[in-house]
Amino acid sequence: DIQMTQSPSYLSASVGDRVTITCRASQSISSSLNWYQQKPGEAPKLLIYTVSSLKSGVSSRFSGSGSGTDFTLTISTLQPEDFATYYCQQSYTTPPTFGQGTKLDIK
Amino acid sequence: EVQLVDSGGGLVQPGGSLRLSCAASGFTFNTYEMNWVRQAPGKGLEWVSYIGSSGATIYYADSVKGRFTISRDNAKNSLYLQMNSLRGEDTAVYYCARGVGRGGATLDVWGKGTTVTVSS
Repeated sequence: DIQMTQSPSYLSASVGDRVTITCRASQSISSSLNWYQQKPGEAPKLLIYTVSSLKSGVSSRFSGSGSGTDFTLTISTLQPEDFATYYCQQSYTTPPTFGQGTKLDIK
Repeated sequence: EVQLVDSGGGLVQPGGSLRLSCAASGFTFNTYEMNWVRQAPGKGLEWVSYIGSSGATIYYADSVKGRFTISRDNAKNSLYLQMNSLRGEDTAVYYCARGVGRGGATLDVWGKGTTVTVSS
């Protein structure tokens, strides 16, 4: 199975900050990398698919980049509603696997 | 509105069985691949199972293979997960999720989840 590793696991930031979360795959996954946001008590939501494509309705504050094994999710200007847990996921091969998550807290 | 409503969770003893359901609406269900994903308390996301649009192709995570069975009824716009021989480590919130893209593994719509607790 392909292992996905996110860093950091926890991140404290303030409203207005720019933050970056990284995700590394244990082998190349080409551009088959997705990002999800999950708030407490809610289901995950797809934010970005195939590295950098924003799902319809998702704020342009969110952006993704990378290829092969190394990927990043950037939030350009944190808003109060962005404090949540973020997961990367590879859709390159079965089983699809997720990173362990990055919890973004308010500083 | 595109919507998935999962149901059927509950408290079950170890070794018991449970059947989860997921009702789809707002899209052409029989053209989409579907998945189940679970999340143990305080933990991350774990993919559980996949079924193709016709039901002909099915995959399982190793952790549930031989114990869980995924199925769908396209006439009823419904997805199911039959869970047998349940263990404590199966305790989780179970989400049904619509799959798109490569291998139907990009999960673009999720149900709200149904909670399964395996305990004596």
